[in-house]
Amino acid sequence: AQTVTQSQPEMSVQEAETVTLSCTYDTSESDYYLFWYKQPPSRQMILVIRQEAYKQQNATENRFSVNFQKAAKSFSLKISDSQLGDAAMYFCAYTKSDFGNEKLTFGTGTRLTIIP
Amino acid sequence: DTGVSQDPRHKITKRGQNVTFRCDPISEHNRLYWYRQTLGQGPEFLTYFQNEAQLEKSRLLSDRFSAERPKGSFSTLEIQRTEQGDSAMYLCASSFLPVSSGNTIYFGEGSWLTVV
Repeated sequence: AQTVTQSQPEMSVQEAETVTLSCTYDTSESDYYLFWYKQPPSRQMILVIRQEAYKQQNATENRFSVNFQKAAKSFSLKISDSQLGDAAMYFCAYTKSDFGNEKLTFGTGTRLTIIP
Repeated sequence: DTGVSQDPRHKITKRGQNVTFRCDPISEHNRLYWYRQTLGQGPEFLTYFQNEAQLEKSRLLSDRFSAERPKGSFSTLEIQRTEQGDSAMYLCASSFLPVSSGNTIYFGEGSWLTVV
């Protein structure tokens, strides 16, 4: 079974600084996708960034980037120039690239606090 | 695009009562998902519909739980004979393209259930 582990229940960062959230996963699959989702307080969860396992290049979306280490099964999220609006729960998620699969497996989340 | 809407947003019920949650997906989305999120945990997959067909159910979905999507549009999740362990946020999500191809799913704001 696939598992996703986020070992940092809480993180904090000074506004405008950089923070890295950690995620490790376990799978025997070779083809899969990894995601970071953001869940602001009392608002819906939204996709931040995604990574295809067969792509070696790390994904980047504006201030958000990932460090994907396939052999180590590690998938960290870096947030640069942190803003107050980045405060949220961040969930790492995994899905296997298998026709008919529609299931996301989530980690337990990291609560990110931005210090003004 | 009005997003995924869920109703009610909050429900407090006595143990043993039945509750029903409704989800209205984004209009053109044929895929609909239910997840459950307890405090301190990430969302856990419950079930998935493609149009009106329920194609996958998690073992978490005990026989007290039933989900329907009768016309391939809105969906309902009913919990019979509620137990305190059912207290959680029930998240609905929808998509047009498959998760297995790395596509995002769009979440609603969730329905909080408290069983007293």
